[in-house]
Amino acid sequence: GNSVTQMEGPVTLSEEAFLTINCTYTATGYPSLFWYVQYPGEGLQLLLKATKADDKGSNKGFEATYRKETTSFHLEKGSVQVSDSAVYFCALNSGGYQKVTFGTGTKLQVIP
Amino acid sequence: EAGVVQSPRYKIIEKKQPVAFWCNPISGHNTLYWYRQNLGQGPELLIRYENEEAVDDSQLPKDRFSAERLKGVDSTLKIQPAELGDSAVYLCASSLPGMNTEAFFGQGTRLTVV
Repeated sequence: GNSVTQMEGPVTLSEEAFLTINCTYTATGYPSLFWYVQYPGEGLQLLLKATKADDKGSNKGFEATYRKETTSFHLEKGSVQVSDSAVYFCALNSGGYQKVTFGTGTKLQVIP
Repeated sequence: EAGVVQSPRYKIIEKKQPVAFWCNPISGHNTLYWYRQNLGQGPELLIRYENEEAVDDSQLPKDRFSAERLKGVDSTLKIQPAELGDSAVYLCASSLPGMNTEAFFGQGTRLTVV
């Protein structure tokens, strides 16, 4: 079956540091890949997505590239801010119609 | 525009008692989902509706869980009777129809069964 593996958290960084959160997946066919973010006290929201190999999703300074050869979709940001503190979920959809499989989430804490 | 609204935000009940959660999706979103998120885990899909029809309920424990979406708008998720292992956050989401469209999530209902 489909599965998503994320690096375990929490990840603690100083403001303006470089961020990488690793994500690898196992899926049949050609899945779409997503990063969702959950800020404290709020619901999940889509951060970025990529629907085919070599696509790069980007939003709010975050980027992730769909790597089919390594089955990865790592999240990166060049300079994190305190406001980026949240839980980040990698996810895939290979069945269409939002039959989405989520990873376990990685908590990011950015300190001033 | 209002997002997905869920209520209550928090619920504490004793085991064997019933409980119900309510969800109001974004206006015009025909697709509605219920997810369960256990502590330290990602969300897992329980049921998906297209309008008023449950098109995917394969992960819904039907012995104690039920859901309905009358008139294809609001939805309720019920557990009867609740068990200790049902303690989790229950998330509702909605989206426009079609593959790979963005799902918008509510804030969730945190259920504690004691």
